[in-house]
Amino acid sequence: NAGVTQTPKFRILKIGQSMTLQCAQDMNHNYMYWYRQDPGMGLKLIYYSVGAGITDKGEVPNGYNVSRSTTEDFPLRLELAAPSQTSVYFCASSYGQSSGNTIYFGEGSWLTVV
Amino acid sequence: AQSVSQHNHHVILSEAASLELGCNYSYGGTVNLFWYVQYPGQHLQLLLKYFSGDPLVKGIKGFEAEFIKSKFSFNLRKPSVQWSDTAEYFCAVNAIAAGNKLTFGGGTRVLVKP
Repeated sequence: NAGVTQTPKFRILKIGQSMTLQCAQDMNHNYMYWYRQDPGMGLKLIYYSVGAGITDKGEVPNGYNVSRSTTEDFPLRLELAAPSQTSVYFCASSYGQSSGNTIYFGEGSWLTVV
Repeated sequence: AQSVSQHNHHVILSEAASLELGCNYSYGGTVNLFWYVQYPGQHLQLLLKYFSGDPLVKGIKGFEAEFIKSKFSFNLRKPSVQWSDTAEYFCAVNAIAAGNKLTFGGGTRVLVKP
């Protein structure tokens, strides 16, 4: 199994540009998440999804959009990139909501907005 | 909403020294607790988790953590560290009532000197 796969791994954007971070999982997990990691701040939840067709905001959703058309894929879109969105982005997935469901992370996408 | 505090941002140790990383959370209800590790340039990996039962949890690579409910704490320990334990360590909490979403602490960077 590949687990959680994110692309691209590195990207530099200019202010105002848009882009999509791709995320796919092959574990048939219902739940998927997008986190951003900033130094000293831990990980903050951007958006999550409990299943295909359902998405919800996390702690820091402003400036981002997501969609979940299939169980496998959960892309994160930045419409108008801003320097504050320079961060490391992690996609993650888990089987479900009940206790005992470990969350598995992708390898991260390093994004710089200049 | 729950929050997670990790007391030390940076820890420097020599090999064979003992390690203890503090983690406190604020949430009055039932929680699941996790420690994740992020080695340089890699994604987060689960070290150990507590869901129920014995509050002393043993994880991979000789790590253990103790859940003390009265202190809202879940400190991570390792009796004798190795150079390969150099990494960033994240405590995370999942409040059961809030669904399967993790709230992370700010992380602790551990440097083990050979």
